[in-house]
Amino acid sequence: NAGVTQTPKFRVLKTGQSMTLLCAQDMNHEYMYWYRQDPGMGLRLIHYSVGEGTTAKGEVPDGYNVSRLKKQNFLLGLESAAPSQTSVYFCASRRGSSGGPNEQFFGPGTRLTVL
Amino acid sequence: AQSVTQLGSHVSVSEGALVLLRCNYSSSVPPYLFWYVQYPNQGLQLLLKYTTGATLVKGINGFEAEFKKSETSFHLTKPSAHMSDAAEYFCAVSEGTNAGKSTFGDGTTLTVKP
Repeated sequence: NAGVTQTPKFRVLKTGQSMTLLCAQDMNHEYMYWYRQDPGMGLRLIHYSVGEGTTAKGEVPDGYNVSRLKKQNFLLGLESAAPSQTSVYFCASRRGSSGGPNEQFFGPGTRLTVL
Repeated sequence: AQSVTQLGSHVSVSEGALVLLRCNYSSSVPPYLFWYVQYPNQGLQLLLKYTTGATLVKGINGFEAEFKKSETSFHLTKPSAHMSDAAEYFCAVSEGTNAGKSTFGDGTTLTVKP
């Protein structure tokens, strides 16, 4: 099993450009999450999904959109990148609630710089 | 609402010394508690978790944590630090419902001196 993978690993954008980050998991997990990690601020939830075709806003959703057309994939889009979106982005997945208090499994991260 | 406070953004210990990383939580229901470790340029991975039952939880790499309800704490310990323990550690709380969302602390960077 590859677990949770993220594409790309690094990206540099200019202000106003758009891009999509791809997250894929091969564990058949129901729930998926996108976080951003900034120094001294821990992980902040951007958007999440409890199943194929469903998405919901997290703590810091502004400037981002997501889609979950397939159960194994969760895409994070930046329509018009801003320097404030310079961060490390992590995707995570976990089994659904029927599995009890399950932990999240994380991808390796995408380091994004917006100039 | 749930929240996590990690006391001390940086902790430095000597190799072989006790490691103690502090975590206090707030939760409106009995919580599920987690410790994750993040090595440089990697994602988070689970060290240990508390669900119900025994309050002393053992994890990987010799770490353990004790759930103390009266103190709303879930501190992480390891009797003897190793150089390979140098990493950032995150405490997280989940209420089990609400899409399994977890709230993470701001993290504690552990430095191990030779």
